[in-house]
Amino acid sequence: DAGITQSPRHKVTETGTPVTLRCHQTENHRYMYWYRQDPGHGLRLIHYSYGVKDTDKGEVSDGYSVSRSKTEDFLLTLESATSSQTSVYFCAISESRGSGYEQYFGPGTRLTVT
Amino acid sequence: AQTVTQSQPEMSVQEAETVTLSCTYDTSENNYYLFWYKQPPSRQMILVIRQEAYKQQNATENRFSVNFQKAAKSFSLKISDSQLGDTAMYFCAFMKSWLDGSGAGSYQLTFGKGTKLSVIP
Repeated sequence: DAGITQSPRHKVTETGTPVTLRCHQTENHRYMYWYRQDPGHGLRLIHYSYGVKDTDKGEVSDGYSVSRSKTEDFLLTLESATSSQTSVYFCAISESRGSGYEQYFGPGTRLTVT
Repeated sequence: AQTVTQSQPEMSVQEAETVTLSCTYDTSENNYYLFWYKQPPSRQMILVIRQEAYKQQNATENRFSVNFQKAAKSFSLKISDSQLGDTAMYFCAFMKSWLDGSGAGSYQLTFGKGTKLSVIP
């Protein structure tokens, strides 16, 4: 358990509304990530952060923005939700283990856009 | 860009038997890490095993072991003495690390599409 929580765990929203998902970690990890999981696609990286106020885009960043104003919180915002953003969203952290890094995941948030 | 391919969408195995899940990847990098993650019906992503590309010795974790063939870009997972709790989706993942201009690393993962494993009593 890497001390990662996500909120909310489930959300249903309407097309066109803004949505913010929160990832919270308690162990002062520098690197944090947002992935989405869709059937037939595995997990795909949306955005990541390598420090407070330091973020960068991943493979599927269109329609998403992120913010990290403090080490423990990494927020993912859908400015205007679309049905194609219905997915399961995972937050993750990278942690140094031995000679390399490993990623650990939060429990996920299931988002449905109607 | 890296790609990870899992060619077996679904597999099944009898309880107590051995099963091997396949993964191939494409990269021009020489230094990287490979992982297998397990996702049971609870949806939680669980790290099963890690392999460093510079290590020739295959990683093992209890009943889980890998066959890492760097030249062939192959990374298979073997599960011995399969148990009902091994029923899950299994994802192969690739990690490249690099430094951007600011000196920050990334350590992001590229995943395959997964293999659904069912263990039959």
